Amino acid sequence: AQSVTQPDIHITVSEGASLELRCNYSYGATPYLFWYVQSPGQGLQLLLKYFSGDTLVQGIKGFEAEFKRSQSSFNLRKPSVHWSDAAEYFCASDRGSTLGRLYFGRGTQLTVWP
Amino acid sequence: EAQVTQNPRYLITVTGKKLTVTCSQNMNHEYMSWYRQDPGLGLRQIYYSMNVEVTDKGDVPEGYKVSRKEKRNFPLILESPSPNQTSLYFCASSSGLDGYTFGSGTRLTVV
Repeated sequence: AQSVTQPDIHITVSEGASLELRCNYSYGATPYLFWYVQSPGQGLQLLLKYFSGDTLVQGIKGFEAEFKRSQSSFNLRKPSVHWSDAAEYFCASDRGSTLGRLYFGRGTQLTVWP
Repeated sequence: EAQVTQNPRYLITVTGKKLTVTCSQNMNHEYMSWYRQDPGLGLRQIYYSMNVEVTDKGDVPEGYKVSRKEKRNFPLILESPSPNQTSLYFCASSSGLDGYTFGSGTRLTVV
């Protein structure tokens, strides 16, 4: 079964609009959760991570994510999208372990209209 | 600069010709791992290593080998590549709680 689910394959927003990318995980233990961004032809850049504590996590480039245990979700948000945010976004988890294994969602491709 | 270095960045090879993709990290991380990225499938783990001489299979290990003789290096070996191994490969390292650092990727084409 998929450990990490990103329900939206492709999202299109207008520049300046708000953004929310969804991520759900499907196991009981509190996982460590990550959001990565990948621009075309590039590697993976860490946007933010959640290990414990405050459930609202601030990241780079103006992104934030909120961990909601009751909904098994870790959605990524940005209040105002810039054209340079167009990329593919991956949610990932290591299932609450520190054994060096990351499980990725299938990614959400973000298109930004000018 | 803390980084994970993969080589080569691009590789075209023929079916059955053994190849090695190298991965090296300079952060003294215990954990290293290999992933392949395919369109619509995200990244899937091939192998991972928890320390020197300790490796285990990930979700898609068939057709791949790894070794961890030194802490900094974690090469990925394809003994007899096939076209279904055409993919984008990423190496990553981690100390556990600091998150994962990824290499720049290796785009492999097997013809």
